[in-house]
Amino acid sequence: DAKTTQPTSMDCAEGRAANLPCNHSTISGNEYVYWYRQIHSQGPQYIIHGLKNNETNEMASLIITEDRKSSTLILPHATLRDTAVYYCIVRVDTGANNLFFGTGTRLTVIP
Amino acid sequence: ETGVTQSPTHLIKTRGQQVTLRCSSQSGHNTVSWYQQALGQGPQFIFQYYREEENGRGNFPPRFSGLQFPNYSSELNVNALELDDSALYLCASSLGLAGDTGELFFGEGSRLTVL
Repeated sequence: DAKTTQPTSMDCAEGRAANLPCNHSTISGNEYVYWYRQIHSQGPQYIIHGLKNNETNEMASLIITEDRKSSTLILPHATLRDTAVYYCIVRVDTGANNLFFGTGTRLTVIP
Repeated sequence: ETGVTQSPTHLIKTRGQQVTLRCSSQSGHNTVSWYQQALGQGPQFIFQYYREEENGRGNFPPRFSGLQFPNYSSELNVNALELDDSALYLCASSLGLAGDTGELFFGEGSRLTVL
């Protein structure tokens, strides 16, 4: 699976949009981009995933560049409860649940 | 809550001992994966079980072993514990092999300290 690069940490004001970037310049055509987050003392939580098109669900939006070499996770109105480590993962749907998490981005939402 | 439960939540062992960690998957899920998360690091894939058989393994030595039972619950066993085995052990369940969405449902983990 391709490697991802994320900033170590970011801050965001409460109520503002949080934009978390991810670089995956070696992504292959059949690799999906997944985002998970891990709130302190909890297990990771699935947020969203996509292949080529932008995706939106009740939690977030995923914007993937046309060349698929990078993506951005957008939390439209960040709350204090969104403070967590956010992991960008690329993987092929091979049927194995071996996600490579990396070290992620620590997002701190500031009141 | 994901419906994935793990036990025990915390435990302390000494070097050389053996430990068994348990996981009950979300209702209807037949696949269980185990991850190790060292302090300050992201989770690392240990192995997964699908319909009671190991189906995929990460870069972990044979002293890490597991079982999946007919009710799809699972155990992770670690023999000859080493100090570096101190970590949060996470269990994740899914329906089928990664499911259609690749969404895994994680428990809150078992924190193991090896002294």
